[in-house]
Amino acid sequence: GAVVSQHPSWVICKSGTSVKIECRSLDFQATTMFWYRQFPKQSLMLMATSNEGSKATYEQGVEKDKFLINHASLTLSTLTVTSAHPEDSSFYICSAMGRNQETQYFGPGTRLLVL
Amino acid sequence: GENVEQHPSTLSVQEGDSAVIKCTYSDSASNYFPWYKQELGKGPQLIIDIRSNVGEKKDQRIAVTLNKTAKHFSLHITETQPEDSAVYFCAATEAAGNKLTFGGGTRVLVKP
Repeated sequence: GAVVSQHPSWVICKSGTSVKIECRSLDFQATTMFWYRQFPKQSLMLMATSNEGSKATYEQGVEKDKFLINHASLTLSTLTVTSAHPEDSSFYICSAMGRNQETQYFGPGTRLLVL
Repeated sequence: GENVEQHPSTLSVQEGDSAVIKCTYSDSASNYFPWYKQELGKGPQLIIDIRSNVGEKKDQRIAVTLNKTAKHFSLHITETQPEDSAVYFCAATEAAGNKLTFGGGTRVLVKP
């Protein structure tokens, strides 16, 4: 149990375009989903927390207009990187947590390369 | 906010030996401490966790100990195998909001 999927697993896009990444909890209802960013050989940095049906809470320094998060259902959250630039290239990972739970289960990650 | 420090940053062990990774945290109100294993190009996978009302937890070759007074917790891997090679992250929850703060990671290499 507790499987989280992400799609796509990798994406290459041109600078200025937008990219959407999906995060799904496959076998449980995720009342809270988290989006992280990870640069090579570094730790995970939390970008935002989203609760189903509510607006996402962004960490300090993360531009909410650039990284749009939607958590419209208990099994799906999306992260849209708008007007992507080369410096947005990174490994984006989501995690999901069920109601009254404290364990976060992570997706396999999405590698984004902006040319 | 919470701050988690993890040591060592790299660890090389011979197959069959034990590996120990240590983490310290700053927020005495933190009450949940998971450990994740991340293989190259993949997302972190939960391997064991411990709550603040427990001092030790074991699952086969993996064990975690927690010292609340000193605010540190450790991961112990016994009888290491080559497939244990990965990056390991410790984490701690902040007192509110269930946000995880991660340590910097430990790259473990198990040499055959």
